[in-house]
Amino acid sequence: DADVTQTPRNRITKTGKRIMLECSQTKGHDRMYWYRQDPGLGLRLIYYSFDVKDINKGEISDGYSVSRQAQAKFSLSLESAIPNQTALYFCATSDLSSSYNEQFFGPGTRLTVL
Amino acid sequence: KQEVTQIPAALSVPEGENLVLNCSFTDSAIYNLQWFRQDPGKGLTSLLLIQSSQREQTSGRLNASLDKSSGRSTLYIAASQPGDSATYLCAVRGQAGTALIFGKGTTLSVSS
Repeated sequence: DADVTQTPRNRITKTGKRIMLECSQTKGHDRMYWYRQDPGLGLRLIYYSFDVKDINKGEISDGYSVSRQAQAKFSLSLESAIPNQTALYFCATSDLSSSYNEQFFGPGTRLTVL
Repeated sequence: KQEVTQIPAALSVPEGENLVLNCSFTDSAIYNLQWFRQDPGKGLTSLLLIQSSQREQTSGRLNASLDKSSGRSTLYIAASQPGDSATYLCAVRGQAGTALIFGKGTTLSVSS
């Protein structure tokens, strides 16, 4: 089984709808991240969480919110989706106690907003 | 603000050729640097991670180097194969546990 899973893998929705993307991990890592990837722009950080009680905004947090329900679960919400939020969304985890502090990524969620 | 640049944006080579992908970053105060591979529409696979105190890391046909003082890293791929065709992303981390700052990637095509 994959260590970092994302659901759904693909989603098509309409402008104005509320959408939730979910991320779960079995790696036992304390830190979790949400990125979005747009063609030609690379990956950009949306939100990150260092533990259940710690949530921080990233570079492009406007229009998004997150919830860290447990150490293993980190959800990303689009309160009112708009077409320019069409992108590939990635969840990632890392373990601060690890000397390498490597980030591990989920398989991604492709979101299309019509 | 840290910025990461990857050159070239795209590269086409014949099978068997050795090649180098370049990554540069503007702030030399990094914790570590990661190279990733991404196949079209897929997730990211970590290839190599170099700590700020290291000069290089090797995994099979891949070798990554780091020159922190000049803000540069290279990914060397030996004896390229068609299966190496993918987008390669470079990312740096400023402090332990912080998020990665990504370059836009180099898309590699290896023809047989």
